[in-house]
Amino acid sequence: DAKTTQPNSMESNEEEPVHLPCNHSTISGTDYIHWYRQLPSQGPEYVIHGLTSNVNNRMASLAIAEDRKSSTLILHRATLRDAAVYYCILRVNYGQNFVFGPGTRLSVLP
Amino acid sequence: DGGITQSPKYLFRKEGQNVTLSCEQNLNHDAMYWYRQDPGQGLRLIYYSQIVNDFQKGDIAEGYSVSREKKESFPLTVTSAQKNPTAFYLCATLKDRMGTEAFFGQGTRLTVV
Repeated sequence: DAKTTQPNSMESNEEEPVHLPCNHSTISGTDYIHWYRQLPSQGPEYVIHGLTSNVNNRMASLAIAEDRKSSTLILHRATLRDAAVYYCILRVNYGQNFVFGPGTRLSVLP
Repeated sequence: DGGITQSPKYLFRKEGQNVTLSCEQNLNHDAMYWYRQDPGQGLRLIYYSQIVNDFQKGDIAEGYSVSREKKESFPLTVTSAQKNPTAFYLCATLKDRMGTEAFFGQGTRLTVV
């Protein structure tokens, strides 16, 4: 399975943009890049996903490198409620499982 | 409201006992998953089911069993053969094979005492 690499932790100040990086150098052409986040003692929630083009939704933006070997989740204005563990995962094969690594723990400072 | 209900939220089990965790969904999703999460770790797949009466082992199926008799329900049994069952268990669903967004329940925290 293709794997992802993320920093263990990051810090941000409230109301500032946050750029969460993810490396996936072994990604294959049909793998989608997904981002989920997990608040303490809760199940993960979907944030965004993409294949090749940059994507925007109400929660975040996803910037995908041209060679697709890395991507960046962008939170445009961090709030205290954005403090969570963020997982970058590759969707390998439709219908198969999502492989979750340790993720990046984001702390947001007031 | 559509969603996934996991019960109970907290569960205590004595060593040597089997215990069943419930996962019910009213999203009409075909695929259902069970994950295990240990402190500070990511999620590891235990079992998954893409249709009723069919399920597949994930990466850490030993010591666990599941059934999928109804589309809405995917219970997980933690058997006495699971040597280290204390963990946070998460159930998830996916609309179908082409689904792009997984939905997760709130989890069950199992503690062996």
